[in-house]
Amino acid sequence: DAKTTQPPSMDCAEGRAANLPCNHSTISGNEYVYWYRQIHSQGPQYIIHGLKNNETNEMASLIITEDRKSSTLILPHATLRDTAVYYCIVRVFTGNQFYFGTGTSLTVIP
Amino acid sequence: GAGVSQSPRYKVAKRGQDVALRCDPISGHVSLFWYQQALGQGPEFLTYFQNEAQLDKSGLPSDRFFAERPEGSVSTLKIQRTQQEDSAVYLCASSPRDRGTDTQYFGPGTRLTVL
Repeated sequence: DAKTTQPPSMDCAEGRAANLPCNHSTISGNEYVYWYRQIHSQGPQYIIHGLKNNETNEMASLIITEDRKSSTLILPHATLRDTAVYYCIVRVFTGNQFYFGTGTSLTVIP
Repeated sequence: GAGVSQSPRYKVAKRGQDVALRCDPISGHVSLFWYQQALGQGPEFLTYFQNEAQLDKSGLPSDRFFAERPEGSVSTLKIQRTQQEDSAVYLCASSPRDRGTDTQYFGPGTRLTVL
């Protein structure tokens, strides 16, 4: 599975949009981009995934560049409860496991 | 509905002891996964079951680690002769599909401390 690169940490003001970038320049055509987050002392929580098109659900939006070499997770109105480590993962849809890396530690500031 | 549950939530073992960690997946989920998470790191894959069959155990770090899912539901991860480097959070996840695709739902983890 392709490797991803994420900034180790970010801050965001409460109520503002949080934009979390991810680079996956070696992604192949059959690999999806997944985002999970892990709040302190909890297991990872699924957020969203996509292949080529932008995706939106009740938690977040996923923007994937046309060349698919990078993506951005957008939390439209960050709250204090969004403080967590966010993992960007690329994986073939039939893969057995997720390679989490070290993620981005997002701190939402009041 | 109920999510993935794990027990115990915390386990302290003396070096050399055997431990058993339990995972109750979401009812009806075919796929089950174990991950190990060291402090400050992301989870790392250990093993994968499809029903009762262990299809991938490539992530198990040594032959002291053993996992089973005899009836295709509850799973147990056993670590024999624990060592200090086994200290970590052990996460279990389940997925509804038979190839482990799509969303994996994680439990809260078991924090193992080996003294």
